[in-house]
Amino acid sequence: DTAVSQTPKYLVTQMGNDKSIKCEQNLGHDTMYWYKQDSKKFLKIMFSYNNKELIINETVPNRFSPKSPDKAHLNLHINSLELGDSAVYFCASSQLTSLVGEQYFGPGTRLTVT
Amino acid sequence: AQSVTQPDIHITVSEGASLELRCNYSYGATPYLFWYVQSPGQGLQLLLKYFSGDTLVQGIKGFEAEFKRSQSSFNLRKPSVHWSDAAEYFCATLNNAGNMLTFGGGTRLMVKP
Repeated sequence: DTAVSQTPKYLVTQMGNDKSIKCEQNLGHDTMYWYKQDSKKFLKIMFSYNNKELIINETVPNRFSPKSPDKAHLNLHINSLELGDSAVYFCASSQLTSLVGEQYFGPGTRLTVT
Repeated sequence: AQSVTQPDIHITVSEGASLELRCNYSYGATPYLFWYVQSPGQGLQLLLKYFSGDTLVQGIKGFEAEFKRSQSSFNLRKPSVHWSDAAEYFCATLNNAGNMLTFGGGTRLMVKP
């Protein structure tokens, strides 16, 4: 029944490692997103994909590489992890063609870089 | 660029008291506005949205919000707060293309017994 799911829920890793976070939505939406929430709870968009095409890239370091194998999945790969990457990462989805495409969020992945 | 501001970082209310969380937007035309709630350790849940029509919108969990163009505000209200309402609340606006939400800084609500 879960609409937007993310794995893993928690991720603890060391600086310099490479890690991936996966996201899947079963809502039939055409657009998916990655948001980053920092330690002060500030939420900011990172990427948006519409029908597997990148449409938003908000000046995120190129160590972050999203990949959308199909409309239902948007994964986030992070190379050479840094301390400042520690945050909660939220995946979301929406249907752009609807009147107001409200976004549905996953439960988040808490990434801790040590 | 569109933006939203939530002036109150923290608010504490007693259980059973009324609640109003403030949100101010910056946009010339009619904005698309949302309120989301984030319970501790959870993702964001949509409470309600406004895009046109009736300026008083009803949401889930007994929340409502009123769009006031003259004040550039979209404040969230609840007549009687429950302890389970303790959470972080975010106001957000959607861009014209409909593909990017811009969030306010959030208001943390604490509920006293």
